[in-house]
Amino acid sequence: DTGVSQDPRHKITKRGQNVTFRCDPISEHNRLYWYRQTLGQGPEFLTYFQNEAQLEKSRLLSDRFSAERPKGSFSTLEIQRTEQGDSAMYLCASSLFGQGGFFGQGTRLTVV
Amino acid sequence: AQTVTQSQPEMSVQEAETVTLSCTYDTSESNYYLFWYKQPPSRQMILVIRQEAYKQQNATENRFSVNFQKAAKSFSLKISDSQLGDTAMYFCASLPTQGGSEKLVFGKGTKLTVNP
Repeated sequence: DTGVSQDPRHKITKRGQNVTFRCDPISEHNRLYWYRQTLGQGPEFLTYFQNEAQLEKSRLLSDRFSAERPKGSFSTLEIQRTEQGDSAMYLCASSLFGQGGFFGQGTRLTVV
Repeated sequence: AQTVTQSQPEMSVQEAETVTLSCTYDTSESNYYLFWYKQPPSRQMILVIRQEAYKQQNATENRFSVNFQKAAKSFSLKISDSQLGDTAMYFCASLPTQGGSEKLVFGKGTKLTVNP
């Protein structure tokens, strides 16, 4: 297995545009997480899937954010009407129970 | 809600020496896991070590070991024989396993520099 893969690695978008990120987890992992990390800070939880079910969503996540994990495999995170405050590194992690998370390389979003 | 506190924003150590990074946490859970992650500059987060709270024995992984004090809610990381490649941000994190919430809660991190 090649680990958790995220695409794209970098995204620059204009304010107001929609963006979508993809995460391919480690194949046998049933848990998939999205976190957001800003410069100099630890990652903050956004949302969590167990198989295809989205079990928890952070209150930090506005209605402009949506995530899916169809068929319990890859996941997408969409941000609609991006704002400058959305600029951050978006991290995906996958795991089995109690493992915490194995992280991908992240997608760095810059909103201009 | 769980919280994780890392009180040392930055630390430095000479190559080959030993350094200890501090972490305290707060939880009402009876069972949980604790982790240390390493994030080198512009590179991905890597799991360094994992501790199950119900195990009294401290986890070790090669040059990395923890001092887990459950009553004090303390979880420090010791790096022995420091190497230049250990230069990175280190994050302490907790993972509750009950109550339906299974998300990592991270501290703010400690920036470790290993000097030649």
